[in-house]
Amino acid sequence: KNEVEQSPQNLTAQEGEFITINCSYSVGISALHWLQQHPGGGIVSLFMLSSGKKKHGRLIATINIQEKHSSLHITASHPRDSAVYICAAHPYGGATNKLIFGTGTLLAVQP
Amino acid sequence: EPEVTQTPSHQVTQMGQEVILRCVPISNHLYFYWYRQILGQKVEFLVSFYNNEISEKSEIFDDQFSVERPDGSNFTLKIRSTKLEDSAMYFCASILRQGGKLFFGSGTQLSVL
Repeated sequence: KNEVEQSPQNLTAQEGEFITINCSYSVGISALHWLQQHPGGGIVSLFMLSSGKKKHGRLIATINIQEKHSSLHITASHPRDSAVYICAAHPYGGATNKLIFGTGTLLAVQP
Repeated sequence: EPEVTQTPSHQVTQMGQEVILRCVPISNHLYFYWYRQILGQKVEFLVSFYNNEISEKSEIFDDQFSVERPDGSNFTLKIRSTKLEDSAMYFCASILRQGGKLFFGSGTQLSVL
């Protein structure tokens, strides 16, 4: 069983739709990251969360530590949001950023 | 926004050859990392580096791998004798301090033939 699981694996949305990507993890963590990987391969850090909720523009990330679950929401989605979204967990006691990665969610936003 | 720079963007090598992947982290950052992603698979942690030494490494990071920060700006990953299964995208990343935002380079696609 993967320690970090994401759903869905693939997601197609129409422009303007509200999108939710889910991440569940089975290990104790000190932080959880949401990352964006574009088709060229480059990775951008979107959020790092240890509790509660963070918002940046149209992106919102939430985490429920008790339930070991995090969500990434995109409001008013746009084709430029098309990318792979990856959650990655930083386990307790590990070196900073010795992350355990999920398999990613491939998002395609159609105009 | 500051950038982590990786060179080359693509590297093709023969099995058994040595390769060096280069990274220039953001100038005032203190913690450095290498990750890799085999095509179609998850990103995997390789090694973390702080204060001129390895702070943690994964099971993947065996004796064929080494890292160096030779001159205070570059951060290199050396694979001594490449294998076919080393073919992957290799990402360098850095942070200023623990708990800070993680900045990734654009990656080096390594192909071992």
